[in-house]
Amino acid sequence: DTGVSQNPRHKITKRGQNVTFRCDPISEHNRLYWYRQTLGQGPEFLTYFQNEAQLEKSRLLSDRFSAERPKGSFSTLEIQRTEQGDSAMYLCASSLVVSTDTQYFGPGTRLTVL
Amino acid sequence: AQSVAQPEDQVNVAEGNPLTVKCTYSVSGNPYLFWYVQYPNRGLQFLLKYITGDNLVKGSYGFEAEFNKSQTSFHLKKPSALVSDSALYFCAVIISYNTDKLIFGTGTRLQVFP
Repeated sequence: DTGVSQNPRHKITKRGQNVTFRCDPISEHNRLYWYRQTLGQGPEFLTYFQNEAQLEKSRLLSDRFSAERPKGSFSTLEIQRTEQGDSAMYLCASSLVVSTDTQYFGPGTRLTVL
Repeated sequence: AQSVAQPEDQVNVAEGNPLTVKCTYSVSGNPYLFWYVQYPNRGLQFLLKYITGDNLVKGSYGFEAEFNKSQTSFHLKKPSALVSDSALYFCAVIISYNTDKLIFGTGTRLQVFP
């Protein structure tokens, strides 16, 4: 299967701990996106990359959140000093360069902060 | 503000009957419109998109959607529903001149009864 993969699928952590998620996009895709989905809501945009460049960040992305895509392939999303409000599904998507290209989503990482 | 509305939290339909899941949008500029489906504890699966051209778009699993510019709508339809179509459906928009992030509606839960 050559779809978008995300690891881990589930993460339970205690408030105040740091967590890191990984996303591996479809291999030929230049664009990589991160979204967050809370219960009963649609996904909300967090940030996206074109190759290794981070092109846009949402105001939702506080300074506790940082994302990287160091070699233009996989990406990591780190949350420092987690809070209970960070509990959500974190979704990664990838696409080709043009905005009309479809974003294909991974299975997501479900974060629970106790 | 740019937004997408899905006015129905839930749609119930009997198997074999036609189904419609509604979506309206409010954007300035030309929208690119998408439908995704989400099964429990999984990521989003692409169904179809409208970029330009023919207002009737056909997608995966027998679904189709009609772009109506005057009514700013992009309703999802299927002539004959299956129990396996039961899932959460999201409408999303990209604002063509502005950014490549998807703006999602809040989702509509489709329940198909045998």
